[in-house]
Amino acid sequence: DADVTQTPRNRITKTGKRIMLECSQTKGHDRMYWYRQDPGLGLQLIYYSFDVKDINKGEISDGYSVSRQAQAKFSLSLESAIPNQTALYFCATSVTSGDTDTQYFGPGTRLTVL
Amino acid sequence: QQQVKQSPQSLIVQKGGISIINCAYENTAFDYFPWYQQFPGKGPALLIAIRPDVSEKKEGRFTISFNKSAKQFSLHIMDSQPGDSATYFCAASKETSGSRLTFGEGTQLTVNP
Repeated sequence: DADVTQTPRNRITKTGKRIMLECSQTKGHDRMYWYRQDPGLGLQLIYYSFDVKDINKGEISDGYSVSRQAQAKFSLSLESAIPNQTALYFCATSVTSGDTDTQYFGPGTRLTVL
Repeated sequence: QQQVKQSPQSLIVQKGGISIINCAYENTAFDYFPWYQQFPGKGPALLIAIRPDVSEKKEGRFTISFNKSAKQFSLHIMDSQPGDSATYFCAASKETSGSRLTFGEGTQLTVNP
């Protein structure tokens, strides 16, 4: 079973619609992240949360919002989707062990905004 | 502003050859430099990481070389195999930001049989 799951895996929507992408984890990690991936741009951080009461903006938070419902759940919302939000979205968790900090990524959600 | 720049964008290597991917960073406060590997249809996964107190770290066929004065680090894949074909991302983070990573643009590696 996957430790970090994302739903839906694929979504096609129209401009102006509200969209929610959900992320759940069974790893028991406090830290969670949302990234978007665009070809040639790598992964860009949208929002991150270091615990349930802690929410922080990343590099590209405009047009997005998040909710940390529980330690295991971190949702990303697009309040009014626009075509340039078409991208691959990843949720991740992280933990530090010794001198290594590891991020564990979900399988991704491919979002298309028409 | 891209704080971590990665090159090349794509790389084709023959089986058994050495693959080399380079990254350069701007922020001298960065103190953790991981490499992530991503296969098609999957999320990235940590491959190997280094901290600036050492100049090289090796794990199996994968080696990170780190040059603090030049603000550069690179991934070397020895004896490259077709199964290594993937997209590779370098990244960097600062101690004070926990594990908030800044990623490079990615390199698509193809290893021909």
